[in-house]
Amino acid sequence: GNSVTQMEGPVTLSEEAFLTINCTYTATGYPSLFWYVQYPGEGLQLLLKATKADDKGSNKGFEATYRKETTSFHLEKGSVQVSDSAVYFCALLPYNTDKLIFGTGTRLQVFP
Amino acid sequence: EAQVTQNPRYLITVTGKKLTVTCSQNMNHEYMSWYRQDPGLGLRQIYYSMNVEVTDKGDVPEGYKVSRKEKRNFPLILESPSPNQTSLYFCASSSHGLAGGIEQFFGPGTRLTVL
Repeated sequence: GNSVTQMEGPVTLSEEAFLTINCTYTATGYPSLFWYVQYPGEGLQLLLKATKADDKGSNKGFEATYRKETTSFHLEKGSVQVSDSAVYFCALLPYNTDKLIFGTGTRLQVFP
Repeated sequence: EAQVTQNPRYLITVTGKKLTVTCSQNMNHEYMSWYRQDPGLGLRQIYYSMNVEVTDKGDVPEGYKVSRKEKRNFPLILESPSPNQTSLYFCASSSHGLAGGIEQFFGPGTRLTVL
C-alpha cells in the first residue's frame, strides 16, 4: 500500500546549523510529494512540493528533491533559524487520487 | 482575507453528548476535508468532499458524520462521542481535488476532549 516514513524527532539544532529531515515513501506509480509545516498553535501550511521524479521543490530556504530511485524526499535547509522551530510533515498523494497520506511528523527545535 | 475557520477551537465534553464542529472557507473551494491528528500517528483523513452533496470516507470515518449542503461549509458531527475521539481536528480545503498537487489550506484546529 501507500505510506510515508519520517525520521523520529525531535531534531534539536543550534541556529545556522544544517538541517536534514528524512522522508521515504512507498507507492505505486508516480505520486506527488509534499512537505507541510505546522507552527505552534496553528494549522498546517504547504512548504514545498514536487509532482514528478527529479523535481526539486523549494521555499523559504528549504529544499527537497523527488528521488524515485531511492523513494525519498528529504527536506534540507542550509542554515536554520529559531523561527523555523515547528513540526514538519512529509506527505504523499498517490497518482490519480484525492487522498493525501501524511507521515507522523518531525519536530524541529532550533536554539539561539 | 482568504481563510478556513473552525469553531469551536477548544471543546471538552462527555461521552455520548452529540456535538458539531463547524468548518467554513471563503475561497469558493470545491474540495474540503477533515483530519484528526494524534501523537505518533500524524494526520489521518476522516471524510472529504469533492463538492456540494458529494462526500466520501477517508481512512478513519467510524464514529463521524459530515454534510456538505453549501459549498463554503463542511461540518463534522459526532453523534455519540467516545474518549477515543479525543484528538486535534483540522479542516482543510482546496480549489479542486488534490490530483496534480493542488495545495490544501488548513484551518487552525479544534482540540476536542471527550471525558
